[in-house]
Amino acid sequence: EDKVVQSPLSLVVHEGDTVTLNCSYEVTNFRSLLWYKQEKKAPTFLFMLTSSGIEKKSGRLSSILDKKELFSILNITATQTGDSAIYLCAVVNDSWGKLQFGAGTQVVVTP
Amino acid sequence: DTAVSQTPKYLVTQMGNDKSIKCEQNLGHDTMYWYKQDSKKFLKIMFSYNNKELIINETVPNRFSPKSPDKAHLNLHINSLELGDSAVYFCASSPPRGGLFFGPGTRLTVL
Repeated sequence: EDKVVQSPLSLVVHEGDTVTLNCSYEVTNFRSLLWYKQEKKAPTFLFMLTSSGIEKKSGRLSSILDKKELFSILNITATQTGDSAIYLCAVVNDSWGKLQFGAGTQVVVTP
Repeated sequence: DTAVSQTPKYLVTQMGNDKSIKCEQNLGHDTMYWYKQDSKKFLKIMFSYNNKELIINETVPNRFSPKSPDKAHLNLHINSLELGDSAVYFCASSPPRGGLFFGPGTRLTVL
C-alpha cells in the first residue's frame, strides 16, 4: 500500500531558528513530490521535486529529494512567525497527477 | 485574476439536506479534483476529472456526485447530508506538468 509519512507531526521553535521537516514515501510509479504550506484553509504550493539531489530554493525555504532513500526534506532558515502553518508533503504516483498526501507537520514559530 | 474559485466558502445545513459546491478554474487546466480535508487536517482525494471525463473515483459514498459541464468547471453535489460529511472540501486543478492549484476551500458544517 502506498504511503507518505511526514515527521515530526508538530514542532514549536523560536523566531530565528532553523527547522527541518521530513517526508518519506513508499509509492509505486513515483513521479514527483510536492510541498505545500497550509495556513487557515487552502494549501499554497511551495516546491515540486522530481530529480534527486537538486535543491530547490525560494527565499528562506529550500527542499531536496532523495529518490534512492525515498525521502524529501524541507528546510526553513531564520524562521519568522509568519512561517507558522501546516506543511504538507504530497507524492504524485500516476500520470493523472493524483496526489497522496502526508498528514502534515504543524510548525509554530514563537516570537 | 487567474485562479481556482469555489462557492460557497461556507455552508451550514441540516442533516438529510442536499447541497452543491461549485468550482471553476480559469487556468486552462484539463484536470480538476475534489479533495476532502477532515478535522485532523488530512487531505483525501475524492474525484478527478480530465477534460470532463471522470478518471479517479475513490471510495466515496454514492451520495457524492461530481459533475463537470466543461473542463473549467467541476461541481460536487451531496445528497442526504450526514454529520460525518462536515469537513473542508477543496477543489483543485493541475496542468500537465504536475502540481496542484487549490481553490480556497468550502467549509461544510452539517448540523
